Amino acid sequence: DTGVSQNPRHKITKRGQNVTFRCDPISEHNRLYWYRQTLGQGPEFLTYFQNEAQLEKSRLLSDRFSAERPKGSFSTLEIQRTEQGDSAMYLCASSYGTGGTYSNQPQHFGDGTRLSIL
Amino acid sequence: QKEVEQDPGPLSVPEGAIVSLNCTYSNSAFQYFMWYRQYSRKGPELLMYTYSSGNKEDGRFTAQVDKSSKYISLFIRDSQPSDSATYLCAPSFQKLVFGTGTRLLVSP
Repeated sequence: DTGVSQNPRHKITKRGQNVTFRCDPISEHNRLYWYRQTLGQGPEFLTYFQNEAQLEKSRLLSDRFSAERPKGSFSTLEIQRTEQGDSAMYLCASSYGTGGTYSNQPQHFGDGTRLSIL
Repeated sequence: QKEVEQDPGPLSVPEGAIVSLNCTYSNSAFQYFMWYRQYSRKGPELLMYTYSSGNKEDGRFTAQVDKSSKYISLFIRDSQPSDSATYLCAPSFQKLVFGTGTRLLVSP
């Protein structure tokens, strides 16, 4: 068990640029989640995959955000035309579960990608 | 009103003290209750995971859930300086809903 891996750890970019983050979940986990965390706040849910299917998206996920998990393994989160308000820590988590309710298995987090918008 | 309320702290205690961390929540549908510990510039680390009301103990940590009053607690016995971190409660039904986290400082 190598844990959830996220890359890069830190991304600095100019406003208006596109950025992409990668998450490699724990290998036997079929569920993958993206969260956003700002300073002094807890993580906020963005989106969730079971295998390659994206099953839920938060209202926080504007149309500038897109997430994929093409083969049900790693996932990418892309932000287009970045804005100052996108500055945050982007966290990925994974878990294993079956059935319709995805909250019944504990999620394990990576160390996140910190995005700074200049 | 936020779904999950948690005092942000900081909570400062001397080494060896018993620490009590608490959250209240409003959604009676929450069924699973998690506590995560987060060190600076790191991701949340799962500490405790409980289902429904009751107590669960793991080493120096005890998690307590009272669904009737929508109140969840984490107790840390014999606190250590290495316990200094932010503690996040996260009840869930269909997704994790985090509190703001309580920053704990344990001084030697």
